[in-house]
Amino acid sequence: EVQLVESGGGLIQPGGSLRLSCAASGFTVSSNYMSWVRQAPGKGLEWVSVIYSGGSTYYADSVKGRFTISRDNSKNTLYLQMNSLRAEDTAVYYCARGPGGYGTFDYWGQGTLVTVSS
Amino acid sequence: SYVLTQPPSVSVAPGKTARITCGGNNIGSKSVHWYQQKPGQAPVLVIYYDSDRPSGIPERFSGSNSGNTATLTISRVEAGDEADYYCQVWDSSSDPPFGGGTKLTVL
Repeated sequence: EVQLVESGGGLIQPGGSLRLSCAASGFTVSSNYMSWVRQAPGKGLEWVSVIYSGGSTYYADSVKGRFTISRDNSKNTLYLQMNSLRAEDTAVYYCARGPGGYGTFDYWGQGTLVTVSS
Repeated sequence: SYVLTQPPSVSVAPGKTARITCGGNNIGSKSVHWYQQKPGQAPVLVIYYDSDRPSGIPERFSGSNSGNTATLTISRVEAGDEADYYCQVWDSSSDPPFGGGTKLTVL
């Protein structure tokens, strides 16, 4: 059974840093495209970043230069390092498998809440 | 960047048919996917590649895509279908790839 479990969210002051983790089971992270998608309170879904199976990484303009996506193949875990956090980064962060063959995100974690506030 | 436009809300009576649209420039040339999100839960893929259903998704859910509009159709709507629905495409030139979402209310 495919499972994605995020952790690492919490309350952080503006300008601070946080690292999110997403532990995967039931499939191999390094063989798939993996993404982070966030959702601000009461708002829609916003794609944040993707790491391809080959290791290439891409970011939304809103986080480029501040966030870094990575993975640990030995732990089958995806990460999102978030630096220089802003109030507008407050959101539930989901890890998702994809975009896959058709460009879909077929499995999602339950999400972890990041609150940026002083 | 590629923009996907959805109506903020759609209302439908139980047993009727709900249609949720997703507009985009020549979207008919792209693969469109749809997600259902209930309050406090993660999104769930309900339609992929315009009209295919993942296993476990009822046949009441269907999709179409042509021209500048993709449509998610939910037949014989049930109270449990009340949720937010998002369309999505994946285009290397697009950022972001999700529509703004449509809240489906079952009257």
